[in-house]
Amino acid sequence: DGGITQSPKYLFRKEGQNVTLSCEQNLNHDAMYWYRQDPGQGLRLIYYSQIVNDFQKGDIAEGYSVSREKKESFPLTVTSAQKNPTAFYLCASQQTANTEAFFGQGTRLTVV
Amino acid sequence: AQSVTQPDIHITVSEGASLELRCNYSYGATPYLFWYVQSPGQGLQLLLKYFSGDTLVQGIKGFEAEFKRSQSSFNLRKPSVHWSDAAEYFCAVGFYHGSGNTGKLIFGQGTTLQVKP
Repeated sequence: DGGITQSPKYLFRKEGQNVTLSCEQNLNHDAMYWYRQDPGQGLRLIYYSQIVNDFQKGDIAEGYSVSREKKESFPLTVTSAQKNPTAFYLCASQQTANTEAFFGQGTRLTVV
Repeated sequence: AQSVTQPDIHITVSEGASLELRCNYSYGATPYLFWYVQSPGQGLQLLLKYFSGDTLVQGIKGFEAEFKRSQSSFNLRKPSVHWSDAAEYFCAVGFYHGSGNTGKLIFGQGTTLQVKP
């Protein structure tokens, strides 16, 4: 079945650590997105990529980094510079701009 | 600035009653519009979408939504709510920017629906 796979489902990070969240899609979509979800704040865009080897900052990119070396993959690294990383992270893909977004099941990151 | 407002943070309805969730957006150009549903700890599932044409759109699970350009609204409706509809609902808006369109969506803050037996 086509879809978006995020892993792991739960992730725990110690203070000062970098962690990487995986996002893989087999929908052959060009565009991929990372959103952060906090209670009562909806979804906020972290980074997006419309094509391989190119990505753009979203509204809350500070403390995060991404790469897009393959069409299928768009990993997100939460760096130690992100001061409040505890959140639910959602990866999405779109065939092109102006089409609906398909979402993964999310990764819940907790700082311990 | 572009924005999406869902005025109701939390709504409670009785099973079998009708439902309307409100969504308003702020932008002068032509939007494209979505409603998504999210169960706890899960990703978002698309309920319905509007790009152009008939302003009343039908979605999955018996939901429909109506685009009203004059009111900048895209309200979600269901004539009879089932207990399984309890979830969080998000309105999302994208905006055409011609050749520079990034496809970014702007989400409302979400409305949590509780269904009473």
